Amino acid sequence: DIQMTQSPPALSASIGDRVTITCQASHDITSYLNWYQQKPGKAPKLLIYDASILETGVPSRFSGRGSGTDFSFTITSLQPEDIATYYCQQYEILPYTFGQGTKLEIK
Amino acid sequence: QVTLRESGPALVKPTQTLTLTCTFSGFSLTTDGTSVSWIRQPPGKALEWLAHIHWDDDRYYSRSLRTRLTISKDTSKNQVVLTLTNMDPVDTGTYYCARLQRKGSAWVFDHWGQGTPVTVSS
Repeated sequence: DIQMTQSPPALSASIGDRVTITCQASHDITSYLNWYQQKPGKAPKLLIYDASILETGVPSRFSGRGSGTDFSFTITSLQPEDIATYYCQQYEILPYTFGQGTKLEIK
Repeated sequence: QVTLRESGPALVKPTQTLTLTCTFSGFSLTTDGTSVSWIRQPPGKALEWLAHIHWDDDRYYSRSLRTRLTISKDTSKNQVVLTLTNMDPVDTGTYYCARLQRKGSAWVFDHWGQGTPVTVSS
């Protein structure tokens, strides 16, 4: 199975800050990576697919980049509603696997 | 409008079989490139993909749970059913169904149910 390693596991930032999360795959997954946002008690929500394509309706302060084994997810100006846990997920090969999540909190 | 809703027991005993139903609307599971997946999340932990079933009836399972899982669909009822045998307390968590949709070269979980909590306890 492809292991997805996210860092940091938790992150505390201030409103307006630029926040970056990284995700590393144990094998080359080209650009086959999605990012999801999960708020407490809610189902995950798709934000970015194919490593860098913003899902329709998702604010442009969210972005993703990377290919191969190294990926990043950035929020350019953190908003209060961005408090959530973020997950990367690969779909290069089954089983589809998720990272362990990054819990984002307000400082 | 795409919606999915999970249903099933909230509490099962160890060794019992869990049966969960995902009832969906707003799309057809006969459409090329459309699938339904099951994903679970133990309390406070990460997401784990379990299985999915494609529009053409191809089925794929988690390697570690393959011997315990069965996924099936009833396109006339717009339902996907997941069974997990020999339940254990480590199977406790929230179980989600999600639409797995092909978008170009990508496969995305683009719509999710609200999740159904399952506790395994005697």
